[in-house]
Amino acid sequence: EDQVTQSPEALRLQEGESSSLNCSYTVSGLRGLFWYRQDPGKGPEFLFTLYSAGEEKEKERLKATLTKKESFLHITAPKPEDSATYLCAVQAHGETSGSRLTFGEGTQLTVNP
Amino acid sequence: DGGITQSPKYLFRKEGQNVTLSCEQNLNHDAMYWYRQDPGQGLRLIYYSQIVNDFQKGDIAEGYSVSREKKESFPLTVTSAQKNPTAFYLCASSNYRVPRNQPQHFGDGTRLSIL
Repeated sequence: EDQVTQSPEALRLQEGESSSLNCSYTVSGLRGLFWYRQDPGKGPEFLFTLYSAGEEKEKERLKATLTKKESFLHITAPKPEDSATYLCAVQAHGETSGSRLTFGEGTQLTVNP
Repeated sequence: DGGITQSPKYLFRKEGQNVTLSCEQNLNHDAMYWYRQDPGQGLRLIYYSQIVNDFQKGDIAEGYSVSREKKESFPLTVTSAQKNPTAFYLCASSNYRVPRNQPQHFGDGTRLSIL
């Protein structure tokens, strides 16, 4: 059974204080790992897809990295508007493209001014 | 603008009542999905559909039903058999006919509560 575990559950940072969120996964062959951002009362917003170990993607203050067992979402010099819940999801080989994802429970990030 | 529209934003259900949640997309995506999100929990898959007139059960399909008569629409019915329907329901879609994974894109959800 595919499993995704995110840590920490909640993280409070001061504006400008860089940190990382972790996503550990167990999957029978990774087809893709996805990061999303979710604001309260809204649907998840897509951030990144990572396909293979060693891959990195960047967008503004966010950088996602991938190893064979986990992914990190690094947040550099965060601002209050980065406050949100960040979700990680995986898709396994054997699932056809466009098929089911397994989500973690998310990390709730709060950035204080 | 292209996107996924879920309606209504808030919905209330009485005991013994079936309710239907609407999901429409104009992204020309083949695949559509329904998830349930409970406080402090990740998204759990209810049903998904990769093509019109075909759909598969997810992990928590009991008490729910769907139809996929049009590519753009994937309504979810929460039946009276679902004993704990209070949750945030999210609809998503993705481009299925590509060589590699494409991300799922989400609507802004429907919050269902019991009266």
